[in-house]
Amino acid sequence: QSALTQPRSLSGSPGQSVTISCTGTSSDIGGYYYVSWYQQHPGIAPKLIIFDVTKRPSGVPDRFSGSKSGNTASLTISGLQAEDEADYYCCSYAGSYTLVFGGGTKLTVL
Amino acid sequence: QVQLVQSGAEVRKPGASVKVSCKASGYTFTGYFMHWVRQAPGQGLEWMGWINPNSGGTNYAQKFQGRVTMTRDTSISTAYVELSRLRSEDTAVYYCARDWSGDYGEMRDWGQGTVVTVSS
Repeated sequence: QSALTQPRSLSGSPGQSVTISCTGTSSDIGGYYYVSWYQQHPGIAPKLIIFDVTKRPSGVPDRFSGSKSGNTASLTISGLQAEDEADYYCCSYAGSYTLVFGGGTKLTVL
Repeated sequence: QVQLVQSGAEVRKPGASVKVSCKASGYTFTGYFMHWVRQAPGQGLEWMGWINPNSGGTNYAQKFQGRVTMTRDTSISTAYVELSRLRSEDTAVYYCARDWSGDYGEMRDWGQGTVVTVSS
């Protein structure tokens, strides 16, 4: 399984919106509705912020939203805040009871 | 509250094996799949596989087939991952993570991570 493709870095100013893309294939993102997104701050474990493409766990602000079109999933963060500066990883079910992660995107809040 | 507490840091020589534990509390251990995910220094997350604590069934990423073994001890609500024939590229933080959706990647609870260093 090849890793999903994410931009290595993105930046935005406070209050702006940013969208992180995650591109896979018809064997993973395109074939299933099981895409999740994780936020990771330096030195600590990842945190689930989106699952099943669009759903948010309780406690995750509605500034975070997910979507999918074809083989590409996207995470949009609106109203960017300083604490959103982190690494973001997408993850997709890839069939045969396996998962695959994206390479990660470092988000900088200017 | 749910807790996943992992064992402490390990140092191994190339060619050796390492076994990391993940003790669960605050929920029914046998009710949720457990994934293992690793992260090499400065790198991204890498999925290694999962174990079904109820049946003991496992599924591993192709990359680790033949080198990884995931087990569990239901009497102490603990999952384990063992990696053999270690090489320097296995130096990483190893995480356990509880999946709320079976094996579809809804990993809501994570351990604190275990640093494994492979060095001669």
